[in-house]
Amino acid sequence: GENVEQHPSTLSVQEGDSAVIKCTYSDSASNYFPWYKQELGKGPQLIIDIRSNVGEKKDQRIAVTLNKTAKHFSLHITETQPEDSAVYFCAASISGNEKLTFGTGTRLTIIP
Amino acid sequence: GAVVSQHPSRVICKSGTSVKIECRSLDFQATTMFWYRQFPKQSLMLMATSNEGSKATYEQGVEKDKFLINHASLTLSTLTVTSAHPEDSSFYICSARVGQRHGYTFGSGTRLTVV
Repeated sequence: GENVEQHPSTLSVQEGDSAVIKCTYSDSASNYFPWYKQELGKGPQLIIDIRSNVGEKKDQRIAVTLNKTAKHFSLHITETQPEDSAVYFCAASISGNEKLTFGTGTRLTIIP
Repeated sequence: GAVVSQHPSRVICKSGTSVKIECRSLDFQATTMFWYRQFPKQSLMLMATSNEGSKATYEQGVEKDKFLINHASLTLSTLTVTSAHPEDSSFYICSARVGQRHGYTFGSGTRLTVV
């Protein structure tokens, strides 16, 4: 089955700086890659996603890049703010198989 | 946007009792819902896939007789933890896919504490 690895497990960034979280996946058939933000005691919230026919997608301060050859994708947050502090999860799924496989999570702390 | 409503948000129960968690899709029909379990500081682990009108598909290692899933309508799936024990204490989260080409939306989670 699919295996998703995520790094780093913790990340501290000065407010205003950029944060990058990286994930690798094992199954080349995976074609949907979402990123979720989870705040304490809440369910995950989708912040951005990308499909295998696209190499990069941006939404304001958030961007995701995908390298299908290397089987890795990354989340980029620019101009970080204190409210960006949370746990971020990457995930992957294969079209036709609705299961999402999650990475291990990254605890992002924005230092004011 | 698509909303999945999950209740209760917190529940405390005594060992040996059963607890039911509800997950509703508010503005869309969800033929498939997913149930996850999350331990503190860990990732989400898929427990089962719930299909409307049919039996749920459980992941390896998940006891189907302990975690009963019912998906009787296109907007409601329930997870019942039967004969709960302290080791069942965890954060349970449901999810549904919004259409074929859209993402997955998650409920707000249920913190179960078995005492």
